[in-house]
Amino acid sequence: TQLLEQSPQFLSIQEGENLTVYCNSSSVFSSLQWYRQEPGEGPVLLVTVVTGGEVKKLKRLTFQFGDARKDSSLHITAAQPGDTGLYLCAGVVITQGGSEKLVFGKGTKLTVNP
Amino acid sequence: DAGVIQSPRHEVTEMGQEVTLRCKPISGHNSLFWYRQTMMRGLELLIYFNNNVPIDDSGMPEDRFSAKMPNASFSTLKIQPSEPRDSAVYFCASSFLYTSAEEQYFGPGTRLTVT
Repeated sequence: TQLLEQSPQFLSIQEGENLTVYCNSSSVFSSLQWYRQEPGEGPVLLVTVVTGGEVKKLKRLTFQFGDARKDSSLHITAAQPGDTGLYLCAGVVITQGGSEKLVFGKGTKLTVNP
Repeated sequence: DAGVIQSPRHEVTEMGQEVTLRCKPISGHNSLFWYRQTMMRGLELLIYFNNNVPIDDSGMPEDRFSAKMPNASFSTLKIQPSEPRDSAVYFCASSFLYTSAEEQYFGPGTRLTVT
């Protein structure tokens, strides 16, 4: 069972379109991160959200953390081919041993066609 | 500054062979993480170290997997014996602070194929 469910799994759109991808869980997270991963590379952090209801903007990307800190969304305005990649959300959980651990969703694979 | 360095980038081996993956974290970072990524299971944390000490190895699949961090600038992930189901991309990541809530910097990964 995946702790973080991301949807859609795949998304193919044309340049200039808007899109939203989702990251949902039944668990509460102290913080949530979004990463982008390009083929043949490791994930790169885009943003960290900490407060319920928080909205952060990074150029054409808007990230929102749900009020209950269980879910998050990423909205891209006027998508460009350079936005193509795998978008991963990751939440911090506390293990039974008391340590912190970052748990990742499976990601949304976005393709923006010119 | 150089990012996280992993070697080899690609490894093809036969079932039963020993495989050693290597990682050099970013200088000055105190935490190091090993992940495995597959299509079926996504990105999974295998083990992480703080100040060279293993903190959580609950993600290590079984006894065939072992990880060491003999000093602050080097870590290895060893699989012995390897099996076809171990085929995946293995990532090493490092972070500055003693918590996984901080930004993790990922290496380019090692693509392992076990035939």
